[in-house]
Amino acid sequence: EAGVTQFPSHSVIEKGQTVTLRCDPISGHDNLYWYRRVMGKEIKFLLHFVKESKQDESGMPNNRFLAERTGGTYSTLKVQPAELEDSGVYFCASSQQGFGYTFGSGTRLTVV
Amino acid sequence: AQSVTQLGSHVSVSEGALVLLRCNYSSSVPPYLFWYVQYPNQGLQLLLKYTTGATLVKGINGFEAEFKKSETSFHLTKPSAHMSDAAEYFCAGTAGFSGGYQKVTFGTGTKLQVIP
Repeated sequence: EAGVTQFPSHSVIEKGQTVTLRCDPISGHDNLYWYRRVMGKEIKFLLHFVKESKQDESGMPNNRFLAERTGGTYSTLKVQPAELEDSGVYFCASSQQGFGYTFGSGTRLTVV
Repeated sequence: AQSVTQLGSHVSVSEGALVLLRCNYSSSVPPYLFWYVQYPNQGLQLLLKYTTGATLVKGINGFEAEFKKSETSFHLTKPSAHMSDAAEYFCAGTAGFSGGYQKVTFGTGTKLQVIP
């Protein structure tokens, strides 16, 4: 089965620009999660979808971040406008039930 | 609240030597604990997990971890390091289901270097 796919793998944008990250979960996985790792720090939870609904978005840093999940399939995470502190690696994971998280390879975002 | 602390951001071992990566947790409830590994340019891969039952957990690639409640620890070990073990390792935990899902807390990661 195909794993969790994220793209782009790398993105370099200027401060103030907009960037959209995409995550394609494993087919049939209702749960989709976004995590972020800022350089040198721990991986932190951003939000969780169950199908197309946001179950928990308590980890979203501020209102410059917007996550959507169209029809309960792929998800996008938009940062608008991007700031320097948004740089980091953004991970997506999906699961169906239990503790079976499968992570994608991440998107490395650099804001200059 | 759940928190996870990894001791040592970098660990170096010689090939064939014991690997020991330390992790301590704090939780007001019995935790579920995990170790993940990230190889360069790859995603996070689950090495092993502790949920309930046996406190010594065996994972992939010869790794194992022991849940010690009295020490609030979940250290990762491997008897003999291989060059291919060089990667970054993350300890993680969750207090379990909250609202029907598991929200995972990660440690800051430990980079393992294996010296030939």
